[in-house]
Amino acid sequence: AQSVAQPEDQVNVAEGNPLTVKCTYSVSGNPYLFWYVQYPNRGLQFLLKYITGDNLVKGSYGFEAEFNKSQTSFHLKKPSALVSDSALYFCAVRDREALTFGSGTRLQVQP
Amino acid sequence: ETGVTQTPRHLVMGMTNKKSLKCEQHLGHNAMYWYKQSAKKPLELMFVYSLEERVENNSVPSRFSPECPNSSHLFLHLHTLQPEDSALYLCASSQEWNTPNYGYTFGSGTRLTVV
Repeated sequence: AQSVAQPEDQVNVAEGNPLTVKCTYSVSGNPYLFWYVQYPNRGLQFLLKYITGDNLVKGSYGFEAEFNKSQTSFHLKKPSALVSDSALYFCAVRDREALTFGSGTRLQVQP
Repeated sequence: ETGVTQTPRHLVMGMTNKKSLKCEQHLGHNAMYWYKQSAKKPLELMFVYSLEERVENNSVPSRFSPECPNSSHLFLHLHTLQPEDSALYLCASSQEWNTPNYGYTFGSGTRLTVV
């Protein structure tokens, strides 16, 4: 089965600083990788995905992610964090007929 | 609104009750999903429907019964639930995985409390 791991339960960053939320994957074949964000009492919202092509993927709200095959990673990044970026972030991988999600990383951006 | 609507938003039910969760999408997607989100646990896939046929069931207890009458609607029928079934139940829809726009659109979820 395909899987993703998010090694950090929480990431704290000061507003204006760059942020990174980590994700590693384990797949057989070519991975379909995704990032989603969840605000309190809401469903998950799509940020970006990697299917094929450029290793640097740009997504919504200024986020981007870098696909690194040698390190089997797909870390989410943003050059300058905003307080409004504080939320729960999920990495996901396509596994047969559905997406398998990581355990989530809570991002806290301090003013 | 994302295009995927879940009702009700909140539900409190006793262990002997029968209730149903509803999910509706008008995005032209042909696959729909139920996920369970519990505190401090990863999202758990419950059911997958593709072209109105169930294609995956992740060993969910029989007290949860899905129904997909057409490609726009998905239900989750609940009966004799346990307190540990209290969670946020999320519905999602998507195109087929091998299409360029593959990816989920989620509803806002139903917060279920079993008392």
